[in-house]
Amino acid sequence: EAGVAQSPRYKIIEKRQSVAFWCNPISGHATLYWYQQILGQGPKLLIQFQNNGVVDDSQLPKDRFSAERLKGVDSTLKIQPAKLEDSAVYLCASSLSSGRVTGELFFGEGSRLTVL
Amino acid sequence: LAKTTQPISMDSYEGQEVNITCSHNNIATNDYITWYQQFPSQGPRFIIQGYKTKVTNEVASLFIPADRKSSTLSLPRVSLSDTAVYYCLVQGNNQGGKLIFGQGTELSVKP
Repeated sequence: EAGVAQSPRYKIIEKRQSVAFWCNPISGHATLYWYQQILGQGPKLLIQFQNNGVVDDSQLPKDRFSAERLKGVDSTLKIQPAKLEDSAVYLCASSLSSGRVTGELFFGEGSRLTVL
Repeated sequence: LAKTTQPISMDSYEGQEVNITCSHNNIATNDYITWYQQFPSQGPRFIIQGYKTKVTNEVASLFIPADRKSSTLSLPRVSLSDTAVYYCLVQGNNQGGKLIFGQGTELSVKP
């Protein structure tokens, strides 16, 4: 079974530029998450989708971050304009859950962003 | 939301048993305890989940006392490849099914 796919794996940009990350979850997984992991810290949830609807985006800095999950499958996370403090690994995860609150999350390998 | 506390780091040697304890004093009745493992440059990976007493799988054991205010992840006979960060999480209705990560325990296994 294919896992969660993310791209690009690495991205280097200058501050105030924009960047987009793409995620393809495991087939059939209704729930999709984007996490931000700063070096030395645990992952921090940015946004949670259930199919193509947003369940929780309370931690998403909406002035510069946006995310969408059109058609309830693939998702894109965008940062515009980027700041130095956005340097982190952006992890995408998916789960079957859809009502089960203790379901296993499957993570991709992440997209490492460096903002200069 | 239930908060978890675990040691920041631990050292061990190959072949030893490693026990990582996590406290979660305000765990709710319907919450489960879940552990994830993360290697460098990879996303976290599910290890084990339990509600009470003892759970064992091919990778680890999870011990949960009756009051459920703490739990212990036990890794038998660790090898160098078990060097990773281990996260203890409380998962349930109060968290809406989301995983809320703390800082984790960085386990270093030495030869």
